[in-house]
Amino acid sequence: DTAVSQTPKYLVTQMGNDKSIKCEQNLGHDTMYWYKQDSKKFLKIMFSYNNKELIINETVPNRFSPKSPDKAHLNLHINSLELGDSAVYFCASSPASISGNTIYFGEGSWLTVV
Amino acid sequence: GENVEQHPSTLSVQEGDSAVIKCTYSDSASNYFPWYKQELGKRPQLIIDIRSNVGEKKDQRIAVTLNKTAKHFSLHITETQPEDSAVYFCAASGTTDSWGKLQFGAGTQVVVTP
Repeated sequence: DTAVSQTPKYLVTQMGNDKSIKCEQNLGHDTMYWYKQDSKKFLKIMFSYNNKELIINETVPNRFSPKSPDKAHLNLHINSLELGDSAVYFCASSPASISGNTIYFGEGSWLTVV
Repeated sequence: GENVEQHPSTLSVQEGDSAVIKCTYSDSASNYFPWYKQELGKRPQLIIDIRSNVGEKKDQRIAVTLNKTAKHFSLHITETQPEDSAVYFCAASGTTDSWGKLQFGAGTQVVVTP
């Protein structure tokens, strides 16, 4: 009954490969996010979708492409992986609101690029 | 955009003592200030939040205070226990064009020694 679930949890891959991380939420939320947490633990937003529409697109290399087939799913595809992409990627969701709201995180996907 | 600064970056306390973490934000329009706790290898989880119409909020051993004039907010943990050891993140959001985007502080590693 996990609220925000993402797969895979661990991913080790070689430089230059293409990989995807999938995310699903069963909270009925309208907004979903991808956050990146680097080795120094800093949490930085990458993308946000509201009802399948891209609403936040931070300065992220265009090798990263999010896709939201419906409001319960937000996947992240990464092309031509680089060593610096190694990080923990957290999917998250929240109720749509313009006044600030609680964000619920998934368990994270540990990506290691070798 | 919003900028959140968090201090200290590390905090060591003896079990039973209090811990205080301070954050400042830059956008006076921000109106939602959550605190997340992240244990090693786990997801960030909300522990307490406060909105700009409230100056203080308490939940058992944790409390948060907000000073809108000075644009800073603090987390107070009393009677610390070893299980309080974790990384704590403050965050701010709520401007009308942010779509609920949370801007996180850099995190505080709290270590509670028995």
